[in-house]
Amino acid sequence: DTEVTQTPKHLVMGMTNKKSLKCEQHMGHRAMYWYKQKAKKPPELMFVYSYEKLSINESVPSRFSPECPNSSLLNLHLHALQPEDSALYLCASSQGVVVNNEQFFGPGTRLTVL
Amino acid sequence: DQQVKQNSPSLSVQEGRISILNCDYTNSMFDYFLWYKKYPAEGPTFLISISSIKDKNEDGRFTVFLNKSAKHLSLHIVPSQPGDSAVYFCAARAGYSGGYQKVTFGTGTKLQVIP
Repeated sequence: DTEVTQTPKHLVMGMTNKKSLKCEQHMGHRAMYWYKQKAKKPPELMFVYSYEKLSINESVPSRFSPECPNSSLLNLHLHALQPEDSALYLCASSQGVVVNNEQFFGPGTRLTVL
Repeated sequence: DQQVKQNSPSLSVQEGRISILNCDYTNSMFDYFLWYKKYPAEGPTFLISISSIKDKNEDGRFTVFLNKSAKHLSLHIVPSQPGDSAVYFCAARAGYSGGYQKVTFGTGTKLQVIP
């Protein structure tokens, strides 16, 4: 299994809603990532978890809250978002111990904040 | 400050010809470079990578060239096929952080291969 799955594929939420994005991989990868991608822009790193510990938070607003319940799962909890947070949210994973290796990306969740 | 730049937002190539996608970077600490392909409504897919100790890496129709002195890399696709039509991102990493890969993505080049 070389797949990263993300649910839901699409999400529409109001600014007062609370929702969560989910990501799952069963490749035994020990690093997992959240990226945000706006139209015609490159993916921007938000968070990195390594061995289930938060290693990088790229100064992301607290209305985004990541969680890594176990080595296969990664969540992104959303609360009080703004319309400018509308974007494609990508999850990725990579092997933990290999020095040079690629990230495997999921298909993304298209988020619209009204 | 965009450390990884792809100066051509788009490129059109005839089927069967060579596609050359370029990428420039400014951070001399980058030591590992990757190319990803992205179709609409999908996540990026890894294509090929190169370590800074090499100047060329080849995988089938895809070859990546690295010129460290010029801080430039390029992806060659030969022969180009209509299925190669996608957005291509180069990405670069500044050192292995232990347990994860922190990469910076370029701005992307949209390749269209015309049948």
